[in-house]
Amino acid sequence: EAQVTQNPRYLITVTGKKLTVTCSQNMNHEYMSWYRQDPGLGLRQIYYSMNVEVTDKGDVPEGYKVSRKEKRNFPLILESPSPNQTSLYFCASRPQAPTEAFFGQGTRLTVV
Amino acid sequence: LAKTTQPISMDSYEGQEVNITCSHNNIATNDYITWYQQFPSQGPRFIIQGYKTKVTNEVASLFIPADRKSSTLSLPRVSLSDTAVYYCLVGDIATGRRALTFGSGTRLQVQP
Repeated sequence: EAQVTQNPRYLITVTGKKLTVTCSQNMNHEYMSWYRQDPGLGLRQIYYSMNVEVTDKGDVPEGYKVSRKEKRNFPLILESPSPNQTSLYFCASRPQAPTEAFFGQGTRLTVV
Repeated sequence: LAKTTQPISMDSYEGQEVNITCSHNNIATNDYITWYQQFPSQGPRFIIQGYKTKVTNEVASLFIPADRKSSTLSLPRVSLSDTAVYYCLVGDIATGRRALTFGSGTRLQVQP
């Protein structure tokens, strides 16, 4: 089954404690991206990657890092989380051309 | 990057046809128009994509006028389960360089 898998689904952490949210896709897609969604603000893009070792900033990259060492994985790293990063996060993948994108189930992160 | 404008919310009743219009005045030659649906706490789900004229699939139709500065998503005979947020996106098909950029979306509420 074609899918994008994020882990964990829920996470509560403390300010400053480094964390990683994993994202994996099984469709051999070149393109992967991360979004955060906050009430009233819709989906905002954090980072995206067009292929292995190719990443670029989206609209709200501050406080986040990503890496794309393998085609299937695109982890989101918060080196020093802060409460304003409390949000619902989605990972997405799609082929090179902008056809249908597939989204993960979401990760609800709370930073206290 | 083409910016999109949609109504913030719409109301309808079961069985009615719903048309959601999106404005994208700065759409570029290589841009496709794509619509996504999102239920609360779930990742967006692809509905339909088109470049010009009309596209129809099993769930919706997409109407794009000749100047491509707007598009209309048509949902025939909506049901309660169509209550969701609908996003209109435009994106480059030539290179796929820019990832999906979501606007604020249209919140559709279907009443019995």
